[in-house]
Amino acid sequence: EVRLVQSGAEVKKPGESLKISCEASGYSFSNYWIAWVRQMPGQGLEWMGLIYPGDSDTRYSPSFQGQVTLSADKSTSTAYLQWSSLKASDTAMYYCARPQSPAGTDGFNVWGQGTVVTVS
Amino acid sequence: DNQMTQSPSSLSASVGDSVTITCQASQDISNFLNWYQQKPGKAPQLLIFEASNLEAGVPSRFSGSGSGTDFTFTISSLQPEDVATYYCQQYENLPLTFGQGTRLEI
Repeated sequence: EVRLVQSGAEVKKPGESLKISCEASGYSFSNYWIAWVRQMPGQGLEWMGLIYPGDSDTRYSPSFQGQVTLSADKSTSTAYLQWSSLKASDTAMYYCARPQSPAGTDGFNVWGQGTVVTVS
Repeated sequence: DNQMTQSPSSLSASVGDSVTITCQASQDISNFLNWYQQKPGKAPQLLIFEASNLEAGVPSRFSGSGSGTDFTFTISSLQPEDVATYYCQQYENLPLTFGQGTRLEI
């Protein structure tokens, strides 16, 4: 079974750093992009960026460029989203997702369960 | 960025009704459009890819059509479990962009 399992909820203070994870199983982790999507409380979905674990090629949304860092560890099949200095406005649910096709960015048909980040 | 404009932002319908949501792209995206369903407290689920293709396991009452800049999503016979927010999303170019969502109530 193809699965993405995300790390647990986090409560942080402004200015702290944070790294959340998305562990993949059931497929070849290196061959599929992983996307990160933010959903602020009561709001819609926002694409943050993509990482291709095979070569760590990374693409960021302009809205998130410089605000977060995406990374991936092929040895543990885990993708990461990190902040160096959190703001209250980073409070949100964060999802990782995998597209249908290897090396493609088409429909995201596998999603993690989400990680709630609260900054207060 | 390719802006995706969904309408309506919310709608209320009855069991058995047919409902339609529209999504308009600010630039031509060919058929590179997906539709997702998000139930409260859950991760989004892919329903339709490439504008009109039904994802495996998704009931056939869901359908999509369109190309270029104008797209529609239809639920042909509304069921109680269809209460959710629906999003369109383009993948013709980066940044990937979502519509603002349509909240469906029954």
